Amino acid sequence: GAVVSQHPSWVICKSGTSVKIECRSLDFQATTMFWYRQFPKQSLMLMATSNEGSKATYEQGVEKDKFLINHASLTLSTLTVTSAHPEDSSFYICSAPSHRDFSDTQYFGPGTRLTVL
Amino acid sequence: DAKTTQPNSMESNEEEPVHLPCNHSTISGTDYIHWYRQLPSQGPEYVIHGLTSNVNNRMASLAIAEDRKSSTLILHRATLRDAAVYYCILRDGSSNTGKLIFGQGTTLQVKP
Repeated sequence: GAVVSQHPSWVICKSGTSVKIECRSLDFQATTMFWYRQFPKQSLMLMATSNEGSKATYEQGVEKDKFLINHASLTLSTLTVTSAHPEDSSFYICSAPSHRDFSDTQYFGPGTRLTVL
Repeated sequence: DAKTTQPNSMESNEEEPVHLPCNHSTISGTDYIHWYRQLPSQGPEYVIHGLTSNVNNRMASLAIAEDRKSSTLILHRATLRDAAVYYCILRDGSSNTGKLIFGQGTTLQVKP
């Protein structure tokens, strides 16, 4: 199956700093990628849709100025958590659909665990 | 996206079959039924999907009710590595957004 990577796999930062998380599709091109957030013992919550070459589409209640998304190429989307605070500590996961086998399958990255002190 | 209902948790014994149910009574004609699973501290993994007919792949089988208001994911021989949260998700096939909305899923425990 297709492979999606994320970097870093974990990060610890101080309150008030910004953190960038990268999501890469390694063996396919993705004009669209998705960003999710997951708190402990909870399900994944869709944050935004990242669109290559255009603005991201944010889900209701997600602050676009807080969570900056850039999709500069067909294989890379980045999520920047600006002025991070302890409540932003979470597991961030990206995904991308791979249409090469026409199965409409989504491939997920391994996730990035963010801890804000 | 139409909603799905799954049991919060299920238990199974190793090497026995597991049937994970999902109710989706408000499913529309263009909704595909997708199953993903998430192992602890990992991103979700695609398991299987279908529209109307039953589907089989190397990981599992998907049995879809004739009225499509429910479906069952079947793991033929559960292993300890199958312990995960299983999500049943409806995906609108007429929509090009591609996004998946996750419910709470079923936590499967596999006992040796």
